[in-house]
Amino acid sequence: QVTLKESGPVLVKPTETLTLTCTVSGFSLSNPRMGVSWIRQPPGKALEWLAHIFSNDEKSYTTSLKSRLTISKDTSKSQVVLTMTNMDPVDTATYYCARMGGLYFDYWGQGTLVTVSS
Amino acid sequence: DIQMTQSPSSVSASVGDRVTITCRASQDISSWLAWYQQKPGKAPKLLIYLASNLQSGVPSRFSGSGSGTDFTLTISNLQPEDFATYYCQQASSFPRTFGQGTRLEIK
Repeated sequence: QVTLKESGPVLVKPTETLTLTCTVSGFSLSNPRMGVSWIRQPPGKALEWLAHIFSNDEKSYTTSLKSRLTISKDTSKSQVVLTMTNMDPVDTATYYCARMGGLYFDYWGQGTLVTVSS
Repeated sequence: DIQMTQSPSSVSASVGDRVTITCRASQDISSWLAWYQQKPGKAPKLLIYLASNLQSGVPSRFSGSGSGTDFTLTISNLQPEDFATYYCQQASSFPRTFGQGTRLEIK
C-alpha cells in the first residue's frame, strides 16, 4: 500500500525558513519510475507545483520560486525534504507531497497547512 | 513555462446532467495531460491520464479527450459525489503546471 505523509511546522514567522518532510511507504525512492513532487494550495486557490526529485537525484523547480526552494531525499529513510527560505504570509498554504508514478501524480499525501504569521 | 487555462471557472449542474470542462495549453503538449478531482479538505485524486485514459477505479462516466493544445473532461450522468473542483495538469515538461480549476456546483 502506497502512502505519503507530510510533516513540519504549522506556523512559521515571516523571513524564516520552512522545512517540510514527506515520508513515503509502499515504494522505493530509488525506483527509476518513481519520483516525488511538492505541490501547494493557498486557501481557496488553485494547486501550484513547486519542485520534484527524481530517483537519480535530479531536481526540478518552479521558475518563480526557484531561488527559495531546495528539494532533497534520503532514500534509506524513505523521506523527501523541501526547504523554502524567506517565508512570507503569501506562502500560507496547504503543502502536499505526491508521487509521480511515470508522469502523473498517482498518490498524494493528506497535506499539511502551513501558516506564515508573526 | 507552459500555461494551462481552464474554462469555465465554475459551473452549476444537476444530478443526471452531462458536464464538459475545457483545458487549453499555451503550447502543444501532445496527449500529456491529466485531470484531477479535489473535494473540500482533501488531496486531489487522479482521474484521467494521457488525456483519455481512466485511472483504475474511476467510474466510466468520466471521460477525457483532446490532444495538442485543447482538451476536455466530460462527466456524464452526474452523481452527487461528483460535485467537486477539477484541475488539469500538463505532463509534457518541467516545470509541471496546473490549470486554475473548475468548480462544479449543484444547481
